[in-house]
Amino acid sequence: NAGVMQNPRHLVRRRGQEARLRCSPMKGHSHVYWYRQLPEEGLKFMVYLQKENIIDESGMPKERFSAEFPKEGPSILRIQQVVRGDSAAYFCASSPQGLVEAFFGQGTRLTVV
Amino acid sequence: AQSVTQLDSQVPVFEEAPVELRCNYSSSVSVYLFWYVQYPNQGLQLLLKYLSGSTLVKGINGFEAEFNKSQTSFHLRKPSVHISDTAEYFCAVSDRQTGGFKTIFGAGTRLFVKA
Repeated sequence: NAGVMQNPRHLVRRRGQEARLRCSPMKGHSHVYWYRQLPEEGLKFMVYLQKENIIDESGMPKERFSAEFPKEGPSILRIQQVVRGDSAAYFCASSPQGLVEAFFGQGTRLTVV
Repeated sequence: AQSVTQLDSQVPVFEEAPVELRCNYSSSVSVYLFWYVQYPNQGLQLLLKYLSGSTLVKGINGFEAEFNKSQTSFHLRKPSVHISDTAEYFCAVSDRQTGGFKTIFGAGTRLFVKA
């Protein structure tokens, strides 16, 4: 059973471009969470999704950021018109329904140049 | 609202020495508590968790933590560390009503084990 898979592991974007981060949850997991880790900081919750539904996006910036978890395929975190301040590690986690513990992917490190 | 404070940003320690990484939390509701480890350029791996029951929780790699409700603490300990324990450690809390999805993380403690 493969773990949570994130790709790409490293992503470099120029200011103003779009960044797409992908997350495939563990097999059988229907809940996905995205977190952002800024340098020298802990993880900050961004959004919680179930298949085809956004359950809680209270941690998402109001503009330029969006997330989806379609019926088929991975969850996508999309950042439009990236700025230098978006440079961070973005982690995805998944869990089965009702389980407290979430399992983390290895993260995508976004660098905006 | 919940918060987590990790009292030490860095902890240097010699190999085979004991170590304690401190964590305090604040919450108005009952909580679940976690410790995660992050190796360089890796994701987070769960070390241990407190959900209920015994306040002394044993985890992987010889780590343990004790939940102290009166002091709202959940300190992580290991009696003898190895070089391979060098990593960043995160304490985290989530409330029992919302479950794990809004887990709040501390800023992390960097453990550096010296030979």
